[in-house]
Amino acid sequence: IVMTQSPATLSVSPGERVILSCRASQSVSVNLAWYQQKPGQAPRLLIYEVSTRATGVPDRFSGSGSGTEFTLTISALQPEDFAVYFCQQYDKWLTFGGGSRVDI
Amino acid sequence: QVQLVQSRVDTKNPGASVKVSCRASGYTFTNYGITWVRQAPGQGLEWMGWISAQTGHTNYAQKVRGRITITTDTSTSTAYMELRSLRSDDTATYYCARGYRSSSYYWGQGTLVIVSS
Repeated sequence: IVMTQSPATLSVSPGERVILSCRASQSVSVNLAWYQQKPGQAPRLLIYEVSTRATGVPDRFSGSGSGTEFTLTISALQPEDFAVYFCQQYDKWLTFGGGSRVDI
Repeated sequence: QVQLVQSRVDTKNPGASVKVSCRASGYTFTNYGITWVRQAPGQGLEWMGWISAQTGHTNYAQKVRGRITITTDTSTSTAYMELRSLRSDDTATYYCARGYRSSSYYWGQGTLVIVSS
């Protein structure tokens, strides 16, 4: 299953709302997760099963979608949210999207 | 607390093999699987394979199938990922993560493997 993310890069300011998209080449049911990665760090799980926030994740992060179209929304970007975001399907094996970089 | 601690940086010649370890603590090892993911410098994340720590069942990504073996040692709560016939494009940070056919909340710190002559 091929996962396609858009945009590849997004330049925003703190406080803005950010919407990242992820499209699957075939249905992944609800087996869709989002990760945040900062330089030199392992990925951090934000969302699993499309819309469930992982432990400790602020409620400004939310996930939605179904089937093949998914979004990650950051309601009001904080300085610590500048990072790369990856979507991941685990319905059939495991594949990641190419990532969306959120820059200042 | 759950921790996954990986082996250190490793440098290998092309054609050699590397075996990366991932020692788990803070949970019952056989209750979860281990997934291996790699990330080439400046690139995205690539799934390599996973293992059920309970059954030992494995699945591997097609790209590395035939060159990779993932195993576990339940006596030491350690998972291993061996990659053979290394090429320069195998240069990457290799991560283990807790999970089998699922997302992963817990990740190791990563092991940089450099393939260079």
